Amino acid sequence: QKEVEQNSGPLSVPEGAIASLNCTYSDRGSQSFFWYRQYSGKSPELIMFIYSNGDKEDGRFTAQLNKASQYVSLLIRDSQPSDSATYLCAVTPPGANNLFFGTGTRLTVIP
Amino acid sequence: DTAVSQTPKYLVTQMGNDKSIKCEQNLGHDTMYWYKQDSKKFLKIMFSYNNKELIINETVPNRFSPKSPDKAHLNLHINSLELGDSAVYFCASGGRENQPQHFGDGTRLSIL
Repeated sequence: QKEVEQNSGPLSVPEGAIASLNCTYSDRGSQSFFWYRQYSGKSPELIMFIYSNGDKEDGRFTAQLNKASQYVSLLIRDSQPSDSATYLCAVTPPGANNLFFGTGTRLTVIP
Repeated sequence: DTAVSQTPKYLVTQMGNDKSIKCEQNLGHDTMYWYKQDSKKFLKIMFSYNNKELIINETVPNRFSPKSPDKAHLNLHINSLELGDSAVYFCASGGRENQPQHFGDGTRLSIL
């Protein structure tokens, strides 16, 4: 079983819609959860991080964490074509600093 | 100012050669990392290192060795390069435990 799992997509949404990206993780003791955006040929860029159950909002982005279900999601409101990228979910396992990444979900926002 | 910088950006070389990739961070972070992103875009940890401890992913061949002259630098040396080493290698740095990591621009390694 992979440590972090994401639907690889591609996920297509029309401009202005809400994009919903989902991620599950296997280690119940994980404490830190991150969403990175990666444009083709570029490096991962931090979008959001969340440590506690519930929602965390930053502009058009909302991260949601449910530790009981071992589930973390990212919502992108008012999606723009510039949001088209691969979104990587990452988790820090207990007792470690490194990140375990999912395989990423490719998002396409259609103008 | 670039927070995490890697050189070179592109590296093309032949099988059997030895090469190094350099990484520097100016964020004052204690821990630096090397990740490998394969052709399927999967990012996987190779090493994490702070001034006290080197943690190696056991799946990494011993041809790969990190070298850290000081807290701001973590270089990656690769011996006897193989075709399967072709990938993008990312350096990252992070602060305290569980804090976000910041990535360099990556080094695209191609083995001929």
